Amino acid sequence: NAGVTQTPKFQVLKTGQSMTLQCAQDMNHNSMYWYRQDPGMGLRLIYYSASEGTTDKGEVPNGYNVSRLNKREFSLRLESAAPSQTSVYFCASRERSIGNQPQHFGDGTRLSIL
Amino acid sequence: RKEVEQDPGPFNVPEGATVAFNCTYSNSASQSFFWYRQDCRKEPKLLMSVYSSGNEDGRFTAQLNRASQYISLLIRDSKLSDSATYLCAVGRGSGYALNFGKGTSLLVTP
Repeated sequence: NAGVTQTPKFQVLKTGQSMTLQCAQDMNHNSMYWYRQDPGMGLRLIYYSASEGTTDKGEVPNGYNVSRLNKREFSLRLESAAPSQTSVYFCASRERSIGNQPQHFGDGTRLSIL
Repeated sequence: RKEVEQDPGPFNVPEGATVAFNCTYSNSASQSFFWYRQDCRKEPKLLMSVYSSGNEDGRFTAQLNRASQYISLLIRDSKLSDSATYLCAVGRGSGYALNFGKGTSLLVTP
């Protein structure tokens, strides 16, 4: 069971470079999320997609863009990377239903900006 | 006030001990509640959902107090392998992201 798959696992960028973090889920979930986690800061929501075709800003969206490519895939793009974006990035998905469902996380992308 | 707050700890307990964590939330419209476990540098993994009537999964018991707006996690007979950070998560409903606390660190010692 793959669940939520993130690529790459590790990446080092130079300031000003751009890159896209990929996320795909195979659980037929409707909602997908991008978080960053920094020491002492907890998980902070960057962007989310409640359903295919919609995206919304979270707590810390500046410097990022997202694309919900289809139901399975939700990518996060850094257009011009800054050292402050050094972090661990987690993608998550959640089944949208009448009941309340938990989020399931990918194993993260560790990103360093030099 | 943060939407979800946890005591960061660390909680250092001996093997076999019982330990409890609380998590308070500020939004009275919150509908869903969860406990996640996160090992060092790994992704959060769902430990258990929290139901209104309280629920138990082996050595773990979760409870919800809507009146006082907090959830709790009780771990009985602690194992070395229980050492991790425990995150509480609170949700407003389907489609919305969960709000996570910063986590409580637990270290179980021999």
